Amino acid sequence: EAQVTQNPRYLITVTGKKLTVTCSQNMNHEYMSWYRQDPGLGLRQIYYSMNVEVTDKGDVPEGYKVSRKEKRNFPLILESPSPNQTSLYFCASSLGHRETQYFGPGTRLLVL
Amino acid sequence: GNSVTQMEGPVTLSEEAFLTINCTYTATGYPSLFWYVQYPGEGLQLLLKATKADDKGSNKGFEATYRKETTSFHLEKGSVQVSDSAVYFCALRNPGAGGTSYGKLTFGQGTILTVHP
Repeated sequence: EAQVTQNPRYLITVTGKKLTVTCSQNMNHEYMSWYRQDPGLGLRQIYYSMNVEVTDKGDVPEGYKVSRKEKRNFPLILESPSPNQTSLYFCASSLGHRETQYFGPGTRLLVL
Repeated sequence: GNSVTQMEGPVTLSEEAFLTINCTYTATGYPSLFWYVQYPGEGLQLLLKATKADDKGSNKGFEATYRKETTSFHLEKGSVQVSDSAVYFCALRNPGAGGTSYGKLTFGQGTILTVHP
């Protein structure tokens, strides 16, 4: 089944403790992206990747890192999480940047 | 820059009622327009899209027409069902060139729809 998977689905952590949210797609998509969803703000793009080893900032990249070493994986790294990064995170992928984006199920993060 | 504005929610309707969720946008160039739906506890699913002016996207009884003159992409359904209860997001994507964020979807704030039997 074609899908985008994220892990973990739920995470509670404390300020400053490094964490990684994984994202994987099995559709051989070149384009991948991370968004965060906050009430009243919709979804905002954090980072995106056009292909392996090609990444760039979105609208709200501060406090996040990404890497794209393999085509199928696009992990989101929070080196030192803070409470303002408490949010619902979605990974998305598409064949190319002009194609329809498919979203993962989301990761709900709470930073205490 | 690009922006999307959706009507304030939440919207509460009775089954078989007519639905309209307003969406207007601001963008440079000729964006593609989308409606995504998010069912409780799930990720976003593409509901419909339109890529040029006067295009009509349709799916599952929902429709939206790309109106360039009014910069709008309102979502409509003639008869809603309880199973349509979800959050609906309007979004746009610019073609992307010259250093802009390729592929980025710009979302509205979302509209919660609740349909009662």
